[in-house]
Amino acid sequence: NAGVTQTPKFRILKIGQSMTLQCTQDMNHNYMYWYRQDPGMGLKLIYYSVGAGITDKGEVPNGYNVSRSTTEDFPLRLELAAPSQTSVYFCASSFSRGVNTEAFFGQGTRLTVV
Amino acid sequence: AQTVTQSQPEMSVQEAETVTLSCTYDTSESDYYLFWYKQPPSRQMILVIRQEAYKQQNATENRFSVNFQKAAKSFSLKISDSQLGDAAMYFCAYRTYNTDKLIFGTGTRLQVFP
Repeated sequence: NAGVTQTPKFRILKIGQSMTLQCTQDMNHNYMYWYRQDPGMGLKLIYYSVGAGITDKGEVPNGYNVSRSTTEDFPLRLELAAPSQTSVYFCASSFSRGVNTEAFFGQGTRLTVV
Repeated sequence: AQTVTQSQPEMSVQEAETVTLSCTYDTSESDYYLFWYKQPPSRQMILVIRQEAYKQQNATENRFSVNFQKAAKSFSLKISDSQLGDAAMYFCAYRTYNTDKLIFGTGTRLQVFP
């Protein structure tokens, strides 16, 4: 059981470049999340999705875009990368409201923008 | 907007002793979940314990227990018989029934000394 898989694990981008962080889960979860974690800080919610075709902004959405065409995949797109986007990015998924509301996390992607 | 506050950036404890990590939150909701996640140096996010707000009984998981004070909006984590493997960042998190967002605090770094 793979759980939540993120690729790549590490990436260095130049200012102004764009890239997509991939996230896929095999648990049939309908809720998926993207977070960023700056050094020594907590996780800030970027975007989330409650199901295929539905996305919504979190606390820090500027500079990012998402899509959710399938239940399994929730890619995060960075357009025109900036040094402020240097961070570790986590994707997570969970079932909807109910007893099993634990969020499962991927291993994270460390992104450096230079 | 919901917020989660962890006022202790760092804590330390001696092996076999007990330590308590603090968490407070701000919400106008009456139904929600609270979580403690552990993040070791590997960056993996690991669920430690969860609490449903409608349950008065404090959750316990082996050496981990919480003190949930709903009126005070407080959710502290007690680690008994601390072990070297407990050393990690600990994040308190909050999720409502209605907004589907999972909000994290800034974390507490726990050091365990032999």
